[in-house]
Amino acid sequence: NAGVTQTPKFRILKIGQSMTLQCTQDMNHNYMYWYRQDPGMGLKLIYYSVGAGITDKGEVPNGYNVSRSTTEDFPLRLELAAPSQTSVYFCASSMDRGQTEAFFGQGTRLTVV
Amino acid sequence: AQSVTQLGSHVSVSEGALVLLRCNYSSSVPPYLFWYVQYPNQGLQLLLKYTSAATLVKGINGFEAEFKKSETSFHLTKPSAHMSDAAEYFCAVRTGTASKLTFGTGTRLQVTL
Repeated sequence: NAGVTQTPKFRILKIGQSMTLQCTQDMNHNYMYWYRQDPGMGLKLIYYSVGAGITDKGEVPNGYNVSRSTTEDFPLRLELAAPSQTSVYFCASSMDRGQTEAFFGQGTRLTVV
Repeated sequence: AQSVTQLGSHVSVSEGALVLLRCNYSSSVPPYLFWYVQYPNQGLQLLLKYTSAATLVKGINGFEAEFKKSETSFHLTKPSAHMSDAAEYFCAVRTGTASKLTFGTGTRLQVTL
């Protein structure tokens, strides 16, 4: 059982470049999330989705875009990379809200130079 | 609104000593609370969760946490630390009607000989 899979694991981008971080889950979860993790800051929610075709902004959405065309996939798009987007990005999914826990991918370490 | 505060960004204990990691929450409605662990260069893994069924919750690897409504706390404990417990620990909260899972800033646990 693969769970939540993120690709790539590592990436170096130049300022102004674009890229898509891929996330797919095979647990048929309705809820999916993108977080970024910076040292000493915990995890900040970028975007989330409660089902295919439905997305909403989290705490730190600026500079990012998402789409949710299928239940399984929730890609995160960086249009014009900036050094402030250097971070570790985690995708997560959960069956529902409330007491259901979220399952996390292994993360993507992104460096913008 | 929902939030969690983790007191102490770094905690150091000796092997065999008690582990106590603090988490206080803020929520206007009954919360669901989670503790996650993150080992170096990995994603987050669920340790335990509070779902209102019992105030004392037992998790994996010998960890447990007690929900105290009067103190708005959900502290994580382990009677005897092991070297393998060295990791970063995150407390998280979500209310029943909320889609978002909100994390604290994390506590890095160091275990010394």
